[in-house]
Amino acid sequence: GAVVSQHPSRVICKSGTSVKIECRSLDFQATTMFWYRQFPKQSLMLMATSNEGSKATYEQGVEKDKFLINHASLTLSTLTVTSAHPEDSSFYICSVFRAGAPHEQYFGPGTRLTVT
Amino acid sequence: GQNIDQPTEMTATEGAIVQINCTYQTSGFNGLFWYQQHAGEAPTFLSYNVLDGLEEKGRFSSFLSRSKGYSYLLLKELQMKDSASYLCAVRDEVNRDDKIIFGKGTRLHILP
Repeated sequence: GAVVSQHPSRVICKSGTSVKIECRSLDFQATTMFWYRQFPKQSLMLMATSNEGSKATYEQGVEKDKFLINHASLTLSTLTVTSAHPEDSSFYICSVFRAGAPHEQYFGPGTRLTVT
Repeated sequence: GQNIDQPTEMTATEGAIVQINCTYQTSGFNGLFWYQQHAGEAPTFLSYNVLDGLEEKGRFSSFLSRSKGYSYLLLKELQMKDSASYLCAVRDEVNRDDKIIFGKGTRLHILP
């Protein structure tokens, strides 16, 4: 069964609005979750590392005020795209690692965001 | 800096063998992953190498040479369902923080 869930799977929103994407670790607690973005026919780009109980670590070039990350519990991280624009349309994927198993990375099913 | 290179596209025939190469340059190294990704879906884990050598798992094998910054994924007895993108990713340890950095992926086309 699924180890990581994401909600929603697809969302269409109007330019200027905000969208929240949830990532849940179903099988184990995750102190760290990763958020990736993938544009069509391109690879995954790491956006930020979500740390439970502390601020997220953002990659260079990713606006932390635009992509708000909240990791409020050991099983849930949320990514909020604020004031979305068409160029934010992408496939957003979260992932978690199983504690004690550094090679086991599980991806959520992804969220397809379309901004009109 | 970080750099991961792999071919953009490859084509192979059903039943054949194909090798997908990946070279990398990272400031730290804490393992190399291979993932399979079908269009519109999230990646799925195929293999992980942290020591030099070959790891075999069914039809798929992965090789790593840390001294050369090189890995390959070997797919045997190709099936049509193997048509997908294959992503090479390196676990880069920077200032005690681990990040998984992905290559651009190799789109593999399987011909009947």
